Amino acid sequence: DGGITQSPKYLFRKEGQNVTLSCEQNLNHDAMYWYRQDPGQGLRLIYYSQIVNDFQKGDIAEGYSVSREKKESFPLTVTSAQKNPTAFYLCASSQTGFVMGGSPKQFFGPGTRLTVL
Amino acid sequence: AQKITQTQPGMFVQEKEAVTLDCTYDTSDQSYGLFWYKQPSSGEMIFLIYQGSYDEQNATEGRYSLNFQKARKSANLVISASQLGDSAMYFCAMRDIPTNTGNQFYFGTGTSLTVIP
Repeated sequence: DGGITQSPKYLFRKEGQNVTLSCEQNLNHDAMYWYRQDPGQGLRLIYYSQIVNDFQKGDIAEGYSVSREKKESFPLTVTSAQKNPTAFYLCASSQTGFVMGGSPKQFFGPGTRLTVL
Repeated sequence: AQKITQTQPGMFVQEKEAVTLDCTYDTSDQSYGLFWYKQPSSGEMIFLIYQGSYDEQNATEGRYSLNFQKARKSANLVISASQLGDSAMYFCAMRDIPTNTGNQFYFGTGTSLTVIP
């Protein structure tokens, strides 16, 4: 089945450590996204990528970094510069543009809950 | 400027009744897409329904329908015959078509729906 996988589901980090969240998709989508969600809040865009080897900052990119070396993979690194990284992180993908007969929606992974100890 | 506005932080509905979740959007583009997602307590984002700006008829998917009023820039979600399993957060989202931003999605702050037995 096509979809998006995120690992791990739960992640604990000590203050001052960098940590990388994995996101893999087999939907053949060009566009991939990372969102942060705090309890009871909406989704905030961290980074997005429309094509391999290219990505753009979202609304809250400070303290985060990404890479897009392969179409299928879009890992997110939470660096020690991120002051309050405890949150729920969602990865998503979509087709680029609106393709007739295609689905313009975003597909989401199951998410990773990051807790800083 | 906020592109998606959901003014109802929390809603309650009696089981088997219908409920409307409000969503207004802001765009100067003629081509765009509107989406609703459901997020249960597990955190996964479940796609519910999609409406294209040029679609003449309101979208329907089972018990979900989208009340699309283009002139008023509103895209309200109607859930008929509410079930206990409908209790969740609901997010309205928009995607612009123009190629330079056509792959970015904008989300509202969400509405928490509680279905009362």
